[in-house]
Amino acid sequence: RKEVEQDPGPFNVPEGATVAFNCTYSNSASQSFFWYRQDCRKEPKLLMSVYSSGNEDGRFTAQLNRASQYISLLIRDSKLSDSATYLCVVNEGNQGGKLIFGQGTELSVKP
Amino acid sequence: EPEVTQTPSHQVTQMGQEVILRCVPISNHLYFYWYRQILGQKVEFLVSFYNNEISEKSEIFDDQFSVERPDGSNFTLKIRSTKLEDSAMYFCASSRGGSGQPQHFGDGTRLSIL
Repeated sequence: RKEVEQDPGPFNVPEGATVAFNCTYSNSASQSFFWYRQDCRKEPKLLMSVYSSGNEDGRFTAQLNRASQYISLLIRDSKLSDSATYLCVVNEGNQGGKLIFGQGTELSVKP
Repeated sequence: EPEVTQTPSHQVTQMGQEVILRCVPISNHLYFYWYRQILGQKVEFLVSFYNNEISEKSEIFDDQFSVERPDGSNFTLKIRSTKLEDSAMYFCASSRGGSGQPQHFGDGTRLSIL
């Protein structure tokens, strides 16, 4: 089983749509969770940390279910500029701070 | 907003040559990392560095790789004898704290081995 697994994508949606990304992780001892976005051939950029209580940042909502080892990201009212690859990222709590990345799910928002 | 900077943006090197990739982490960050991304694949952890020593390294980070913080600002990754399969995008990252803190990435060095 992959350490961090995401929907394969790509997702093609019209502007204004709501889109949801799903992610599962294999290590139940994982401590910290993040969503990053990556534009083509660019660096990963932190979108948001994910907390057990769920958290929201404008049009973006992240949820964590530790029992199911499941993380989600919801984007409401999608914009053309949301087009990117969304990376689910997990830290297993080891001292070194190693991040484990999912393969990413590509989103394309069309006019 | 402070950012991580990396040089060069693109490095082309003959197989077997040594290469040094440079990074300047965010100034008040204490933890430093190198990751790589082979074209079309996921981002992979190489090494983490704190308090002038390696905290953790992956299986990829073998004896051909080394890291150094030669002064108060730079953080370098050296590949001693490059192989074709070392061709990838190399990202430096830094964080204020260790485990649990978000990491901020530089814009990467594209390494091409011929």
